[in-house]
Amino acid sequence: AQKVTQAQTEISVVEKEDVTLDCVYETRDTTYYLFWYKQPPSGELVFLIRRNSFDEQNEISGRYSWNFQKSTSSFNFTITASQVVDSAVYFCALSEVNYGGATNKLIFGTGTLLAVQP
Amino acid sequence: NAGVTQTPKFRVLKTGQSMTLLCAQDMNHEYMYWYRQDPGMGLRLIHYSVGEGTTAKGEVPDGYNVSRLKKQNFLLGLESAAPSQTSVYFCASSTAQGNRYEQYFGPGTRLTVT
Repeated sequence: AQKVTQAQTEISVVEKEDVTLDCVYETRDTTYYLFWYKQPPSGELVFLIRRNSFDEQNEISGRYSWNFQKSTSSFNFTITASQVVDSAVYFCALSEVNYGGATNKLIFGTGTLLAVQP
Repeated sequence: NAGVTQTPKFRVLKTGQSMTLLCAQDMNHEYMYWYRQDPGMGLRLIHYSVGEGTTAKGEVPDGYNVSRLKKQNFLLGLESAAPSQTSVYFCASSTAQGNRYEQYFGPGTRLTVT
């Protein structure tokens, strides 16, 4: 069965600190996608990144970076020099890849609440 | 281009009442989904649709029905609301072509059942 685990329920940091959000997944599929979404206090879900299982290159986008390691089934997210506006719930999600009748169903982790204090 | 919209944004129901949540997307996406979000549980898939006229059950379908009569709309119905259905409901859509694995989410509907 597919599963996404975000063991960190809440993290509190002071502005300008670096913070890493952990994500561990389980799947029997050899082809899959991993995602990170941000949910700010306003409630909407904001897409941050998609990574497919064949691409283990780390990615950096401004202050955000992602570390994908298939060997440990992890897809961790780091925010460098955190800011108050980064305060949100962050979800990691896994999508199976089904060809012909694909549904793109997302399996979400339970989320990590990040609080960045000024 | 509004993306994914949901109606209503908030609703309070009494136990046993019925209601329909409407999701509309203007991106011509084939796939549409309904999720519910509960504290500490993340988002869980209720029902989904891979095209007009087709629906399928997700992880937590009990107590809900759905319909996809038009490609752009996906309706979620509660026939007899229960307090356990108090939740935030999100609709999402995605394309079957190209960048098919990114789901676009609506703003959510906060439902309280008393």
